[in-house]
Amino acid sequence: DSGVTQTPKHLITATGQRVTLRCSPRSGDLSVYWYQQSLDQGLQFLIHYYNGEERAKGNILERFSAQQFPDLHSELNLSSLELGDSALYFCASSVGAGELGETQYFGPGTRLLVL
Amino acid sequence: AQTVTQSQPEMSVQEAETVTLSCTYDTSESDYYLFWYKQPPSRQMILVIRQEAYKQQNATENRFSVNFQKAAKSFSLKISDSQLGDAAMYFCAYRSGKGNQFYFGTGTSLTVIP
Repeated sequence: DSGVTQTPKHLITATGQRVTLRCSPRSGDLSVYWYQQSLDQGLQFLIHYYNGEERAKGNILERFSAQQFPDLHSELNLSSLELGDSALYFCASSVGAGELGETQYFGPGTRLLVL
Repeated sequence: AQTVTQSQPEMSVQEAETVTLSCTYDTSESDYYLFWYKQPPSRQMILVIRQEAYKQQNATENRFSVNFQKAAKSFSLKISDSQLGDAAMYFCAYRSGKGNQFYFGTGTSLTVIP
């Protein structure tokens, strides 16, 4: 158990809908990262937040948004969902601002299925 | 953008034997980190080992070691004395020194044969 929690574990929804995925980092960690793992594209970095501020953006669609709250938990919002958004969404956390050698600890993931 | 290539979609090894998983990457940066992550059937991503680009010495963690060839942009993972619990998907990852982005390979599925 990494200490990173993600809810819900599974989510089934329909195209066009909006969902929110939640992540609580390890105690003491200030950074949260979001990743998407789909069958055809592997693991893709989406976005990184540090202490409430966005620090880096990866391949995140405009339909997706994220934020990190003062208590350091983070939410990933996915809107206008498409079939291709079906994937496993991981959250990871690290203690600092994402310095080069910092270890990221991954949560168990949220499996999203868009029908 | 940096790319990470794992050319072996699947590998198998006999229990107690040694296996090497390959990874190559493309970058123009001089400062970066490389990682191997393990993803067992539970889907949890677990850090196996990491290597600083500025270090010539290869990283080692118990039965896991890497062969880091910076000039060749190669970063292979060697698993010695393979155990049944090593069966998993293994991902090679590159962390950029600029922008803090992670780039992952497509993974190698390792089967351990009893």
